[in-house]
Amino acid sequence: DAKTTQPTSMDCAEGRAANLPCNHSTISGNEYVYWYRQIHSQGPQYIIHGLKNNETNEMASLIITEDRKSSTLILPHATLRDTAVYYCIVRVAETSGSRLTFGEGTQLTVNP
Amino acid sequence: DGGITQSPKYLFRKEGQNVTLSCEQNLNHDAMYWYRQDPGQGLRLIYYSQIVNDFQKGDIAEGYSVSREKKESFPLTVTSAQKNPTAFYLCASTGTLNTEAFFGQGTRLTVV
Repeated sequence: DAKTTQPTSMDCAEGRAANLPCNHSTISGNEYVYWYRQIHSQGPQYIIHGLKNNETNEMASLIITEDRKSSTLILPHATLRDTAVYYCIVRVAETSGSRLTFGEGTQLTVNP
Repeated sequence: DGGITQSPKYLFRKEGQNVTLSCEQNLNHDAMYWYRQDPGQGLRLIYYSQIVNDFQKGDIAEGYSVSREKKESFPLTVTSAQKNPTAFYLCASTGTLNTEAFFGQGTRLTVV
């Protein structure tokens, strides 16, 4: 699986959009981009994933660049409960049980 | 409700003792994973299993062992050979195709 790089930490004001970047310059054509978040001392929670097109769900939006070398997770109206570590990973999804490797993630702090 | 369960939530053991952490899922997922997380750090892959009776080492397998005798279960044994076993342990599972990973709530192991 391709490696990803994310900023160590970010801050965001409550009610504003939080834009979390991720670089995955060595991503392969069959690898998806996944985002998870982990609130302190809990198991990570799935947020969203995509291959080429931008994706949106009730939690967030995922913007993937045309060359697929980077992506941005957008939390449109951040709340204090969105304070967490956000992980961007890439993995092949067509086969069962491909290796699932996490990096260090980005600590997002939403400030009142 | 379908999900993935880790037990116990907190575990204390004396140094030199082996200890087994439980992970059970009823999601009919083929793949299961074990991660270790130390304070302020990301998730590191210990072992993963793509199918029953098969598993592969992750990045930090030394001092750990696993078994996958049933699809639903993937127990992790922390052996006395693990030099620094005190950590937060997370189990995850994934299905086929581009499905997201589901995580348990973790087991916090303290060795004294």
